[in-house]
Amino acid sequence: QVQLVESGGGVVQPGGSLRLSCAASGFTFSSYGIHWVRQAPGKGLEWVAFIRYDGSYKYYRDSVKGRFTISRDNSKNTLYLQMSSLRVEDTAVYYCAKDHGSTVTNNWFDPWGQGTLVTVSS
Amino acid sequence: EIVLTQSPATLSLSPGERATLSCRASQSVSSYLAWYQQKPGQAPRLLIYDASNRATGIPGRFSGSGSGTDFTLTISSLEPEDFAVYYCQQRSNWPITFGQGTRLEIK
Repeated sequence: QVQLVESGGGVVQPGGSLRLSCAASGFTFSSYGIHWVRQAPGKGLEWVAFIRYDGSYKYYRDSVKGRFTISRDNSKNTLYLQMSSLRVEDTAVYYCAKDHGSTVTNNWFDPWGQGTLVTVSS
Repeated sequence: EIVLTQSPATLSLSPGERATLSCRASQSVSSYLAWYQQKPGQAPRLLIYDASNRATGIPGRFSGSGSGTDFTLTISSLEPEDFAVYYCQQRSNWPITFGQGTRLEIK
């Protein structure tokens, strides 16, 4: 079955960097766009970034532009989120989520991984 | 940025009752709206997309309606496993945005 497994979370100081990974299985990874969505502790959901199935388009929310970079390696069925200049407000569980549509992006998230916690604190 | 406002914030109902959750957009999103369910300690799950289409494996008691700025998620007869937090999400414009959530709790 479709599975997404995030890793790479942890505790980092403000201004630091971290790279998250999302390992995919159970579907043709190279045919689907993938998103990152985050959830601060006890709060709601916030979309972070998207990468098209072939990596040709990337979108970011304004608050992470210039600090976060989404990328993918289709040969390894893996998605990445390189995070730098981290702020306290970036503290959240980060989920990767497969786009519901194949090749044609539809920006529905199905399914989601289990998430990885990033804590930015001094 | 399109703001989605969900109401009520908390809904207290008993199993077997009908639940009606609302989501209002700050501008028209056509039918580009989805609903997700999130249980404690779990990732969200897609329930409804394009306002009224049930995702694979979602029971028939879940239904969605609406277009433009006003949308509704209806659970026709609540099962114990339906008590959770529900989020709406729009894909009409970047950035993709979510509502703040409605907590459905057991009365």
